[in-house]
Amino acid sequence: DGGITQSPKYLFRKEGQNVTLSCEQNLNHDAMYWYRQDPGQGLRLIYYSQIVNDFQKGDIAEGYSVSREKKESFPLTVTSAQKNPTAFYLCASSPRVIGGAHTDTQYFGPGTRLTVL
Amino acid sequence: AQSVTQLDSHVSVSEGTPVLLRCNYSSSYSPSLFWYVQHPNKGLQLLLKYTSAATLVKGINGFEAEFKKSETSFHLTKPSAHMSDAAEYFCVVSPSGYALNFGKGTSLLVTP
Repeated sequence: DGGITQSPKYLFRKEGQNVTLSCEQNLNHDAMYWYRQDPGQGLRLIYYSQIVNDFQKGDIAEGYSVSREKKESFPLTVTSAQKNPTAFYLCASSPRVIGGAHTDTQYFGPGTRLTVL
Repeated sequence: AQSVTQLDSHVSVSEGTPVLLRCNYSSSYSPSLFWYVQHPNKGLQLLLKYTSAATLVKGINGFEAEFKKSETSFHLTKPSAHMSDAAEYFCVVSPSGYALNFGKGTSLLVTP
């Protein structure tokens, strides 16, 4: 089966702890993305990566870090510096990034719900 | 900057009646527009995508959307609602080659 997997589905963390959310895709997509979703809000971009070993900050990168050592993997670390980390986190991928008006469709994983206790 | 506004945060319809979810966009040029659906505690699934090939876009599960440049709208419709259509719907615009701008979502409730 081709697709995007995120693990775990639910994650609980104590305040002051770092936690890493996993995102893996076997679609051979070049670009990967992390979004955060809060109740009643749309999705907000945290980080994105167009190719291996390269990534860019999105709109709300503070308190988060990422790595892209392999094409199929794009883990997100929520650090203790993130003031309000409780949210639903969604990972996405797309075949390639195209500059200008049009972009390829993004495909989403099932999400990880992070709760800070 | 490109953005979208979903005009209703909640829409309620009876099963078997038409669905209309409204979305207006702002863009300085012809945008790419999407509708995604999200069922509770799930990821997002693409319903349909507009990229200027045709103004009426047909998607999955009987949904379609019409791009109206004069009205800067991209409303989502379905002739007959089904109980399984109850979900959150997001209108999305692509401002560049890497990111999507999401509307705040419309929660669709389908009553028997």
